[in-house]
Amino acid sequence: DAKTTQPPSMDCAEGRAANLPCNHSTISGNEYVYWYRQIHSQGPQYIIHGLKNNETNEMASLIITEDRKSSTLILPHATLRDTAVYYCIVRVVGYSTLTFGKGTMLLVSP
Amino acid sequence: DVKVTQSSRYLVKRTGEKVFLECVQDMDHENMFWYRQDPGLGLRLIYFSYDVKMKEKGDIPEGYSVSREKKERFSLILESASTNQTSMYLCASSPESLGNTEAFFGQGTRLTVV
Repeated sequence: DAKTTQPPSMDCAEGRAANLPCNHSTISGNEYVYWYRQIHSQGPQYIIHGLKNNETNEMASLIITEDRKSSTLILPHATLRDTAVYYCIVRVVGYSTLTFGKGTMLLVSP
Repeated sequence: DVKVTQSSRYLVKRTGEKVFLECVQDMDHENMFWYRQDPGLGLRLIYFSYDVKMKEKGDIPEGYSVSREKKERFSLILESASTNQTSMYLCASSPESLGNTEAFFGQGTRLTVV
């Protein structure tokens, strides 16, 4: 029972912005949107999370639509090291576990 | 720098062996998790623990057990390893809170059962 929908793969040129979409049309009011990424042969790495406001940190920006049914992760200047699988996850406040979908494989090319 | 350390990066075991996968975190986190990752199936939660000696089943607990005798250590046990348990195993930890937290993952243990 998928709670998020992401494209299976995306390409991006090095130095350009990578915009990764995620649909979560059944999101509840008490669910956060989390983004993780997994570089090949490594464990997943936290990127960013948000509830309803847009968020930015040193890694990325998260844009959540006003109805909260979709979001976009933005890597402003993608590098080759950003090549990874990116997971969008919705998670209930107070609930500890993360349920991973299949994510988006982002390939950053020179 | 926060760290979740898994005892082995690669492991090869024989069918029927009892296998222990160890995970240690140095962040004083309450929650610890074991996932397995398989091609086409993504990451699936096996077990998690929210306190010492406490455990909860995840989505695929069959064939596994866990032990958490100390806060920093969470062990995954394969009582009698089988070839369908060949997989990448990932440990994670997170602090206890109302849920607004990130989880930290180890590098993974690639287990092959022959």
